[in-house]
Amino acid sequence: GEDVEQSLFLSVREGDSSVINCTYTDSSSTYLYWYKQEPGAGLQLLTYIFSNMDMKQDQRLTVLLNKKDKHLSLRIADTQTGDSAIYFCAESDNNAGNMLTFGGGTRLMVKP
Amino acid sequence: NAGVMQNPRHLVRRRGQEARLRCSPMKGHSHVYWYRQLPEEGLKFMVYLQKENIIDESGMPKERFSAEFPKEGPSILRIQQVVRGDSAAYFCASSQNTQYFGPGTRLTVL
Repeated sequence: GEDVEQSLFLSVREGDSSVINCTYTDSSSTYLYWYKQEPGAGLQLLTYIFSNMDMKQDQRLTVLLNKKDKHLSLRIADTQTGDSAIYFCAESDNNAGNMLTFGGGTRLMVKP
Repeated sequence: NAGVMQNPRHLVRRRGQEARLRCSPMKGHSHVYWYRQLPEEGLKFMVYLQKENIIDESGMPKERFSAEFPKEGPSILRIQQVVRGDSAAYFCASSQNTQYFGPGTRLTVL
């Protein structure tokens, strides 16, 4: 079945850029997503990218997609302490009911 | 426009009891998805429903778990005869295209 992999942990200093990486196996992925989860909370959709795009920018967030390598990244510019959370990468396939397949999440810790 | 609503937010059950989790989708959304998140893990798909229909239940355990999305009212995820391994956070998402998540129900089985 489909698989989505992420590194477990990332630590950065406040003001630096954070780059969270994700790889996936489903070659028929239609959309790729980044969600943020704060402790004890639900998932907040941050951004998503259609599979025929290679980049999307939204304020401090930049998503890069390398479809050939099935590699997705989320860059957070000027990282703030409020960005500390778990970030989940997810993919969906329009031809498979649009359910999301999630990675295990990357815990981002931002040090002051 | 209220977001996806889930209740209860926290639910404690003893082994063998039943758990009922409710999800009200965003206004105008007719697709509901249920996911389970075990501690320190990502979310795993359980079931996808549209009004009065189960579209895909490939992620649902074969026994004790059931889901419905009636014509009127919220979607219900029902777990019968709960066991300790059912302790998890259960998230509902609704969509027309993009999935938006509710705050989750955290089930603890004693």
